[in-house]
Amino acid sequence: SQQGEEDPQALSIQEGENATMNCSYKTSINNLQWYRQNSGRGLVHLILIRSNEREKHSGRLRVTLDTSKKSSSLLITASRAADTASYFCATDYSNTGKLIFGQGTTLQVKP
Amino acid sequence: NAGVTQTPKFQVLKTGQSMTLQCAQDMNHNSMYWYRQDPGMGLRLIYYSASEGTTDKGEVPNGYNVSRLNKREFSLRLESAAPSQTSVYFCASSERGRAEAFFGQGTRLTVV
Repeated sequence: SQQGEEDPQALSIQEGENATMNCSYKTSINNLQWYRQNSGRGLVHLILIRSNEREKHSGRLRVTLDTSKKSSSLLITASRAADTASYFCATDYSNTGKLIFGQGTTLQVKP
Repeated sequence: NAGVTQTPKFQVLKTGQSMTLQCAQDMNHNSMYWYRQDPGMGLRLIYYSASEGTTDKGEVPNGYNVSRLNKREFSLRLESAAPSQTSVYFCASSERGRAEAFFGQGTRLTVV
């Protein structure tokens, strides 16, 4: 399988704390994307970082990319109960939009 | 905007039955995709279509066929359903390669 790996698999924190999720992948990529999935729902795109970028911010989200280590991290600052969801990294390796997904991190934010 | 619409939302099939999952997008996207999501496995690509009239296999195409009927619609067909095809199926579209994907709400399929 070409699937990437994410860790931790599950993360439980208190509201207001920061949450960090890590993603490793296997092939050279064009970009790496992070998605959120609320229970029983479809995936929602959060942020895209291209292979020539090292860091990107969007609101309370910060993504880093290290292509030499084939890894990325997603930081959610000042987490809220509404951030409770599963988070997936996905790599685009072929410029076709075909994505390889990691197995996801389940985040629980306790109020 | 409706975005990406999938039908049905839930389906139970008996082994050997056939069915077609429908997907339509209203964002004028060229690329469309079918993924399946199994517990603990993340999403895996079944088929994708870069444009109307073209389709290509993904990571797990066996047991499936697809049709890109027009720019809006991309259907996934199971000719003879098997219990191993019990999964949640997601359709997605994107404006082009290297862009973010928009996902439907999913079809939860159970094959008994």
